[in-house]
Formats: sequence, structure tokens, C-alpha cells
Amino acid sequence: KQEVTQIPAALSVPEGENLVLNCSFTDSAIYNLQWFRQDPGKGLTSLLLIQSSQREQTSGRLNASLDKSSGRSTLYIAASQPGDSATYLCAVRPGTDKLIFGTGTRLQVFP
Amino acid sequence: DADVTQTPRNRITKTGKRIMLECSQTKGHDRMYWYRQDPGLGLRLIYYSFDVKDINKGEISDGYSVSRQAQAKFSLSLESAIPNQTALYFCATSDPHGTGKETQYFGPGTRLLVL
Repeated sequence: KQEVTQIPAALSVPEGENLVLNCSFTDSAIYNLQWFRQDPGKGLTSLLLIQSSQREQTSGRLNASLDKSSGRSTLYIAASQPGDSATYLCAVRPGTDKLIFGTGTRLQVFP
Repeated sequence: DADVTQTPRNRITKTGKRIMLECSQTKGHDRMYWYRQDPGLGLRLIYYSFDVKDINKGEISDGYSVSRQAQAKFSLSLESAIPNQTALYFCATSDPHGTGKETQYFGPGTRLLVL
């Protein structure tokens, strides 16, 4: 059974720091991996999607990497800002259209 | 206007009551999903539907039922609510392209409290 774990569960940093959020999964047979952002009172927003054949994806200050063989993904946030404060979820697609989510990392960036 | 809407946004009910959570989408997607989110457990799939005539159980379907009334509407029912169904419920949609790039689009969530 595929399990997705995220470390750390919570993170509080001052503005301007570069951050790394970690995601690990137990079964390397995945179709893709996605990182989502969740804001209170709002739904999830997809940030980056990495297909199984790719190693990384970048969008602005965000960079996500994927190492399928080791079952790991990292989300790198450069020059963090208070507006980055949210919960970040990773999810793997195991080959069907279903997603299996991690438990999330709650990030707070203070001025 | 939001592409995926959920009603109600908040609901308090009592044990044993039947309640329905509704989801509507204007994205024209065939695939729709219901998830629940509990603290420390992430999102878990309850039911999903790939088109109007298709309904599939997810990871935690016991105690729930769904109805796909139209391409744009997917309702989740709790036939007899119990306290451990207290959670945040999300509806999502997706449009399969077969390219591996498709993502899911989420509604804002319904916060349910069962007393």
C-alpha cells in the first residue's frame, strides 16, 4: 500500500530564508507527483506537477525535484515571503486517476 | 466565479441525521472526486466518478453514498451521521488528457461537525 510522508509537519521561519520541504513515498511505481498549497478557508491549489519521467519542475521561486528510485521529492522555496505561509501537501498518482496525499507541512513565514 | 463550488461551507448536525454535501463545477470536467481531510491524516478519497454513469468507491467509502446528477454535479450523502465523520470535505475535478500532466482542481471545502 502506497504511503506518503511529509517532514517536517510544521515550520516557522523568518522572511527571506530558503526552505526545503520533504516528501517521501513507499512505492516508486507512480505516474506523477504533485505539490499543492492549501490556504485556510480555501481549497487546494496545484503548484507543481512532476511526471514520472522528469527529475524536476520550476515555477518562479518554487522548484520541485523527484527521485523515484529513492521515493523522495523535495519542494524548494527561495527567498520566502509572508505570503508563502500555508500548508503544503504532496500527492502521488499511483497509475490511476486517484491521488494519495501526504499529511502536509504547515509553513509560517514571519516578517 | 469559482470553478468548483461546494455547499454548504459549514454545517453542524447531530448524530443520526442524514445530510447532503453538494458540489458543482463549471470546468466541464468529466471526473469528480470527494475527499475528507482530518488533522494529521492528509486527504483521503471517499468516492470518485469518471462520468455520469460511473461511480467508484475510494479508500474510505463506508458510511457515505454519492450521486452524480449531471456532469457538473456530484453530491455526497451521510445517511446517518456519526461524530467521527467530523472533518473537512473537499470536492475535486479533473480532465484526463492522457499526457500525465492533468491535475485536480479543488473546491473550497465544507467543514462538517457532527455532535
